[in-house]
Amino acid sequence: NAGVTQTPKFRVLKTGQSMTLLCAQDMNHEYMYWYRQDPGMGLRLIHYSVGEGTTAKGEVPDGYNVSRLKKQNFLLGLESAAPSQTSVYFCASSFTWTLLREQFFGPGTRLTVL
Amino acid sequence: DQQVKQNSPSLSVQEGRISILNCDYTNSMFDYFLWYKKYPAEGPTFLISISSIKDKNEDGRFTVFLNKSAKHLSLHIVPSQPGDSAVYFCAASYSGGGADGLTFGKGTHLIIQP
Repeated sequence: NAGVTQTPKFRVLKTGQSMTLLCAQDMNHEYMYWYRQDPGMGLRLIHYSVGEGTTAKGEVPDGYNVSRLKKQNFLLGLESAAPSQTSVYFCASSFTWTLLREQFFGPGTRLTVL
Repeated sequence: DQQVKQNSPSLSVQEGRISILNCDYTNSMFDYFLWYKKYPAEGPTFLISISSIKDKNEDGRFTVFLNKSAKHLSLHIVPSQPGDSAVYFCAASYSGGGADGLTFGKGTHLIIQP
């Protein structure tokens, strides 16, 4: 049982390049989330998904797209990376929303955009 | 405007003593609160939570207190141990939010002195 895994762990991009971050969970969770954490800040929600085939915008969605084609995977895409997207990205998942709202987090992806 | 505030960026406590971490919130719709612990280069891990129908929840050395009238919660760690040194995030959610993730504070860096 690996929990929540993220690929890659580190990445350096040049401005304008694109990339996809992959999140996978093996806990059969319905809900999945992408957050970013910047220095001195808490985690801020980028996008989330309440089930396979569904996605929705969070607090800071601009410049990102997501897809949830399979229940266990949640992809975060950057179409044209900007230096402002330099951050640590965390994926999370949870089983329910109305009862226990504990979210399980992956180890993070550290992204630098030059 | 920050809806979840942790006003102490850092806190230093002697080993064996009590650590008290504070969190304030402004959104009266929040009805579920969580504390997460984060070590460097790792994802946040769930510590303890409390529903707004309670004013206290205890789990081993960790106790969370909720004062709804003051919109304030606190995490008590007794006794503090070296392994407790980490960044602690307070997070909040509300059931009417439609599973749109957690709102995090900026975190408090707890340092346990030997």
